[in-house]
Amino acid sequence: AQSVTQPDIHITVSEGASLELRCNYSYGATPYLFWYVQSPGQGLQLLLKYFSGDTLVQGIKGFEAEFKRSQSSFNLRKPSVHWSDAAEYFCAVGRGGSGYSTLTFGKGTMLLVSP
Amino acid sequence: DGGITQSPKYLFRKEGQNVTLSCEQNLNHDAMYWYRQDPGQGLRLIYYSQIVNDFQKGDIAEGYSVSREKKESFPLTVTSAQKNPTAFYLCASKEKGTDTQYFGPGTRLTVL
Repeated sequence: AQSVTQPDIHITVSEGASLELRCNYSYGATPYLFWYVQSPGQGLQLLLKYFSGDTLVQGIKGFEAEFKRSQSSFNLRKPSVHWSDAAEYFCAVGRGGSGYSTLTFGKGTMLLVSP
Repeated sequence: DGGITQSPKYLFRKEGQNVTLSCEQNLNHDAMYWYRQDPGQGLRLIYYSQIVNDFQKGDIAEGYSVSREKKESFPLTVTSAQKNPTAFYLCASKEKGTDTQYFGPGTRLTVL
C-alpha cells in the first residue's frame, strides 16, 4: 500500500528566508506526486504535480519541487517566503493513470512565517 | 466559472440526526471524492465515485452514505451511526486521465 510521510508537523521560517518542506513516499511503481496548500477553513489548492519527465517541477506562487527516486522524496521549496505563504501544506501520492485511482495524503506541515 | 461548490459552509446538527452535505461540480469530471479532515490527521477518504450510479468505500466509510445520480453531484449523508461526526468535510473531483484532484471549499459540520 502506498503511504506518505511529512516528518515536520510545524515549521517556522522568517519572511524572506528560503523554505524546504519534506515529503517521503512509499510506492512500488512510478508515482504521481502532488503538493497542495490549505489556508485555514478553506479547501485545498493544487501547487504543483509530478507525473514523469523533468524531476524538477515548477508550480504556482513561486514554489518548486524535486522528485528524487533514490530517496523516495518529493520536497517542496521556495527561495523567499512571503507572509501570505503561511498555511498548511499537504503532499500526496497517486497510483498513476485512470481507473479507480485514489490519492494518499500526508498529515500535513503547518508553515508559520515570522516577521 | 468552472469549479466545485459545497454547501453549506457551516452546518450544525443535533446528535442522532442524519445530515446531507452537498457537492456539485461543473468541470465535467467523471470521478468525485469525499474526504474527512481532523486536526493533525490529514485527509482521510470516505467514499469515491468513478461514474454515475457507481461508488466505492474509502478508508473510513462506516456511518456515511453517498449517491451518484448525476455526473455533477455527489452528496454525502452523515448518519446517526457515525460515532464522531464533527469534522471538516472536503469534496473533490478528478481530471480524466490523471490523478489530479481539485477541491471544493469544504463544509464544517458540528454535531451538538
